[in-house]
Amino acid sequence: GQQLNQSPQSMFIQEGEDVSMNCTSSSIFNTWLWYKQDPGEGPVLLIALYKAGELTSNGRLTAQFGITRKDSFLNISASIPSDVGIYFCAGQLSVGGTSYGKLTFGQGTILTVHP
Amino acid sequence: EAGVTQFPSHSVIEKGQTVTLRCDPISGHDNLYWYRRVMGKEIKFLLHFVKESKQDESGMPNNRFLAERTGGTYSTLKVQPAELEDSGVYFCASSHLGRASGRYEQYFGPGTRLTVT
Repeated sequence: GQQLNQSPQSMFIQEGEDVSMNCTSSSIFNTWLWYKQDPGEGPVLLIALYKAGELTSNGRLTAQFGITRKDSFLNISASIPSDVGIYFCAGQLSVGGTSYGKLTFGQGTILTVHP
Repeated sequence: EAGVTQFPSHSVIEKGQTVTLRCDPISGHDNLYWYRRVMGKEIKFLLHFVKESKQDESGMPNNRFLAERTGGTYSTLKVQPAELEDSGVYFCASSHLGRASGRYEQYFGPGTRLTVT
């Protein structure tokens, strides 16, 4: 099946630093999404990307849908302690017509921010 | 708008027992998905409902897993009999049907942590 390679697996940074993580796939996706998971919670959608080359921001977060449709990156600027958590990339293919199918997830990036 | 809810939040059962997990999607969401995350690994797809029909069940591990969505509202996922390797966090997600709505991103519930001993 499809697999996403997400890197890095973990990051330890100081508050105020910028963070970058990325995902690559051997096959294309129609949609790339980035989620964050806090302990004991489900993944929360941060950014959704629908078009190759698209660059989208959400506050301090910026994500891009790679032009080949096989990769995406997420940047977090000026990190703060509440950015701590696990970040997942996910790719999605449309299943035709009006329904969108399963998400294929990366392995996750564990982010630790030291005050 | 209430989010996706899941029940129970945590279940501890013995090998061979049966467990039923429940998911209530966001009101009006016709797409409902089940995922599972085994310790330290990626979140993996199990099953996708469109309304009450199974659109894709390619991720279901084996026939010990049975998912239902009667009436196209809430869904249940039953594991019978449970095995040790079924332990993990089971997530449910829901989304609107159709890109025309402009909102078909999947929204996740908090998950059910299943421990099989």
